[in-house]
Amino acid sequence: DAGVIQSPRHEVTEMGQEVTLRCKPISGHNSLFWYRQTMMRGLELLIYFNNNVPIDDSGMPEDRFSAKMPNASFSTLKIQPSEPRDSAVYFCASSLAWGTGGELFFGEGSRLTVL
Amino acid sequence: QQQVKQSPQSLIVQKGGISIINCAYENTAFDYFPWYQQFPGKGPALLIAIRPDVSEKKEGRFTISFNKSAKQFSLHIMDSQPGDSATYFCAASNTGTASKLTFGTGTRLQVTL
Repeated sequence: DAGVIQSPRHEVTEMGQEVTLRCKPISGHNSLFWYRQTMMRGLELLIYFNNNVPIDDSGMPEDRFSAKMPNASFSTLKIQPSEPRDSAVYFCASSLAWGTGGELFFGEGSRLTVL
Repeated sequence: QQQVKQSPQSLIVQKGGISIINCAYENTAFDYFPWYQQFPGKGPALLIAIRPDVSEKKEGRFTISFNKSAKQFSLHIMDSQPGDSATYFCAASNTGTASKLTFGTGTRLQVTL
């Protein structure tokens, strides 16, 4: 079975550019999460969706960040404009039946470097 | 109140030794405590999880010990192997409210030969 698929795996961009990260969750999973990982702050939850609806976006750092889930098999995290402090590894994770202690399945991450 | 505090930040253990990682939480509503393992270049993966109705859960060489009154839980890795070298994250959530999973800051484990 295919796991959570993220693209791109690596992205290097210049400050001010728009960045779009993509995620395909595991088929049948109804919850999707976007995390950011840095050495300083560890794993931070940015936003999560349940049945394609955003439930909690309190972790989104600022208006430059936006996330969408147009259907059950695709989500995007967009940063516009990007800044050097956005450099991090961004993980997408999906889960079946979240809320009952369902396991999170993480993708391999998208490493973003903003110069 | 949502924090999960994890220690140590890093740990070096000899092959065959016992690795112990500790976590503490404040929110008494938390009722689900998983541990995730992350290898370099990979995403975290669920290793083992416990609910507060038991004080210990064992899966192979991995054991979670849970102390509800102290609001602490720990991961023990018995007979540690070089292949266990990874970063370990504890986490907690309140499944009753489907709250988000709050992760600890991680422990980088290195098992030496």
